[in-house]
Formats: sequence, structure tokens, C-alpha cells
Amino acid sequence: AQSVTQLDSHVSVSEGTPVLLRCNYSSSYSPSLFWYVQHPNKGLQLLLKYTSAATLVKGINGFEAEFKKSETSFHLTKPSAHMSDAAEYFCVVSDRLDTGRRALTFGSGTRLQVQP
Amino acid sequence: DVKVTQSSRYLVKRTGEKVFLECVQDMDHENMFWYRQDPGLGLRLIYFSYDVKMKEKGDIPEGYSVSREKKERFSLILESASTNQTSMYLCASEAGGSWFGYTFGSGTRLTVV
Repeated sequence: AQSVTQLDSHVSVSEGTPVLLRCNYSSSYSPSLFWYVQHPNKGLQLLLKYTSAATLVKGINGFEAEFKKSETSFHLTKPSAHMSDAAEYFCVVSDRLDTGRRALTFGSGTRLQVQP
Repeated sequence: DVKVTQSSRYLVKRTGEKVFLECVQDMDHENMFWYRQDPGLGLRLIYFSYDVKMKEKGDIPEGYSVSREKKERFSLILESASTNQTSMYLCASEAGGSWFGYTFGSGTRLTVV
């Protein structure tokens, strides 16, 4: 069975300072991992994905995530926060079900606030 | 770009009503999914489908059913709506075997009164 834990439900940073959103996962097989972002009253948008290639993954809007198998982590980072980054972020793991099919499991989300 | 369209942005229904939530995608994707989103719980999978007329239960299928008569359309049905089904419902689609991640619709916020 697969699961995702987002360690912080809320993170607040000042504009121009680094962002760190933490995510730990568990998976029975070799997972694919994703970060999605949801701005208020909008749908979910894919930020980046890890699918067993390079462990450091670059996404849109300057975000990065590093896959660390030994720590079962996939933390999301950005060197300098912008006001437009304020949103909810979801860490997602993809793994095989007992049927052999793949499905996504979502973390509970981290709300990022950016202070001026 | 793939577009996933959910027919209603907001819905208000009465307890006991039968409710249909419609989702249409325009890129010939094989795989379609229905999630509900609740504060503090993230997204939870209700049902999914990998082919026409095929459906599989997700993590929380109780109180719901689905229909996929055509490849582009995946409907979520609340047989008898209850107040605990008040939620945001998100539809997603994905090309089979590609694993580029899901494309989501903008959601339907359902309120059951």
C-alpha cells in the first residue's frame, strides 16, 4: 500500500526567502512522485514529476524537488518565494494497486502563505 | 493542451436527490478518475475507469456510482445525496501508459442541504 505524509499543513514565508515544503512517502514498488499546485478557486496544476530518472527534478516557476530513496522523501523547494506562489501544494505518489493498475495517492496538502 | 471540462462549477442539491456530475475530456485519454477534495484530507479517489464501460472502486466508493458509456465522458452519480457528500469533486484524465501525470478539471463544488 502507498501513502503520502505532508509534514506541514501551513507554511508561511516572506517574499524573497526560500521555500521548503516537506513530503515523505511509503510505497511497495518503485513509485512515481509528483507535486501539484492549486491556486484559490482553480484546478490542480502539475508542478513537477519524478519517474526514476534524475533524482533532482526541476519544475515550473522555479520549483525543484529531490527524490531521496534512503529517506523516502520528496521535498519541494524554491530559492526565492514570490507572492504568486501563495497556494496549496499537494505531494502525490503513484504506485501499483493489487489489480496491477496504477493510481495516485494524494497528501493532505500544505498551504503556502507568502508575506510581503 | 488537454482539456478536462466539468459541466458545473457550483451545485446545490437537496438530501435524497439523485445527482449527476459530468466530466468530458477532449484528448482521447483512456484513463479517467473522480476524486473528492475536503479540507485537511487532500484528494481521495472515489472511482476510476481505464476503458469504456469499465470501472473500478477507489478508496471511498460508498454512496457513489459511475458511468462510462463513451471514452470522452465519465459521470459520477450520487444515488441519494446526503449532507456528508458536500464537497469539491475533481475529475482527471490521463493517457494510458504515458505516465505524464493527470490533467484535472476545475472542479464542481457540491452542496447538499
